[in-house]
Amino acid sequence: QSALTQPPSASGSPGQSVTISCTGASSDVGDYKYVSWYQQHPGKAPKLMIYEVTKRPSGVPDRFSGSKSGNTASLTVSGLQAEDEADYYCSSYTGSNNFYVFGTGTKVTV
Amino acid sequence: EVQLVESGGGLVQPGGSLRLSCAASGFTLTYHWMHWVRQAPGQGLVWVAYIDNDGGRTTYADFVKGRFTISRDNAKNTVYLQMKSLSGDDTAVYYCVRDAQLSFDIWGHGTVVTVSS
Repeated sequence: QSALTQPPSASGSPGQSVTISCTGASSDVGDYKYVSWYQQHPGKAPKLMIYEVTKRPSGVPDRFSGSKSGNTASLTVSGLQAEDEADYYCSSYTGSNNFYVFGTGTKVTV
Repeated sequence: EVQLVESGGGLVQPGGSLRLSCAASGFTLTYHWMHWVRQAPGQGLVWVAYIDNDGGRTTYADFVKGRFTISRDNAKNTVYLQMKSLSGDDTAVYYCVRDAQLSFDIWGHGTVVTVSS
């Protein structure tokens, strides 16, 4: 199972929006609603930001939103803040023996 | 507080073995599938293994099949990852992760495994 494809980097000024894409295949992103997004600051464990494509866990600001079209999922961060600078990873359930697959990761610079 | 605390990492020689432990607290472990995810230095996240609520079903990434074994003891609120035949490619931070709605909602702080002679 190959990793999902994300752009290596994305950037925006404070207050602007940035959108990160996550491209998979019909066997993972395209076939399931179980796409999630994670934020990871340097030296820290990842944090769940979005699950089931569009849902936000309690405590995650509504500036973070997710969507999906076909084999590509997206994470949008609106109203960028300095603390949003981090690495972001998508993940998808695959339904196969290789249960889950992560994206290649995107470094967001504010 | 809901948390996962990993232990058991360290320096091991190529070909060696190591057992990681993950102690859960603040929630009922029995209710959740559990996973191990790893991250090599400077690299991305990679899913390693999964175990269902009672340990009856496990699944592994192809690159660890036959070498790693995930298990759990719900009475001790602990999940394990037994690793053998280790190589430099297994050098990574290993995270214990709780599953919720087929996403990873709670992560431990990670334990570092270094395979080197």
